[in-house]
Amino acid sequence: GAGVSQSPSNKVTEKGKDVELRCDPISGHTALYWYRQSLGQGLEFLIYFQGNSAPDKSGLPSDRFSAERTGGSVSTLTIQRTQQEDSAVYLCASSPTSSYNEQFFGPGTRLTVL
Amino acid sequence: AQTVTQSQPEMSVQEAETVTLSCTYDTSENNYYLFWYKQPPSRQMILVIRQEAYKQQNATENRFSVNFQKAAKSFSLKISDSQLGDTAMYFCAFMALLPTDKLIFGTGTRLQVFP
Repeated sequence: GAGVSQSPSNKVTEKGKDVELRCDPISGHTALYWYRQSLGQGLEFLIYFQGNSAPDKSGLPSDRFSAERTGGSVSTLTIQRTQQEDSAVYLCASSPTSSYNEQFFGPGTRLTVL
Repeated sequence: AQTVTQSQPEMSVQEAETVTLSCTYDTSENNYYLFWYKQPPSRQMILVIRQEAYKQQNATENRFSVNFQKAAKSFSLKISDSQLGDTAMYFCAFMALLPTDKLIFGTGTRLQVFP
């Protein structure tokens, strides 16, 4: 079946603009995660959604970052007033349930803030 | 807080040889999972192998195996009969189950397989 998809693949924006990154998880997966991969760094957890439960936002680096998940499926990560330090690859992952221990990753969105 | 350390930023190996990538972690949890993920230039993260902490037996997946030392908090990956397609970034990751099963990653090891 189809894997996790993300759009756009690449996004170039100017400092101060808002951007939206989209994630389509694998159909039927109830858990969804966002991670950030900065140049030369490992992946950093941002936010986690599980079904209808309140999301775990503990990894969001500032209040310029927000995310929502509509209808328990598609998720959008929004970064307001982008800064150059926001430049990174943003990866989305999904898993069948929160107790299932494998996460399936999408190809990521490379964000470049000029 | 849990941390994962990969002390080898880059490794290289000749095709058909064996290479071992190191990973150590720190946690006060007793029940957790450990993973090795591969990230080729396509950016797609691919699960290579996983280990449940409560299992003493080391996990094996074809040419990939781990050496899990729970007391030492060490989790190394051995790749046997290396192939050119193994060239990638390799990330070690830790998952505790509570409060959230988020993955905590190391900074990665870039592996280059030479012909």
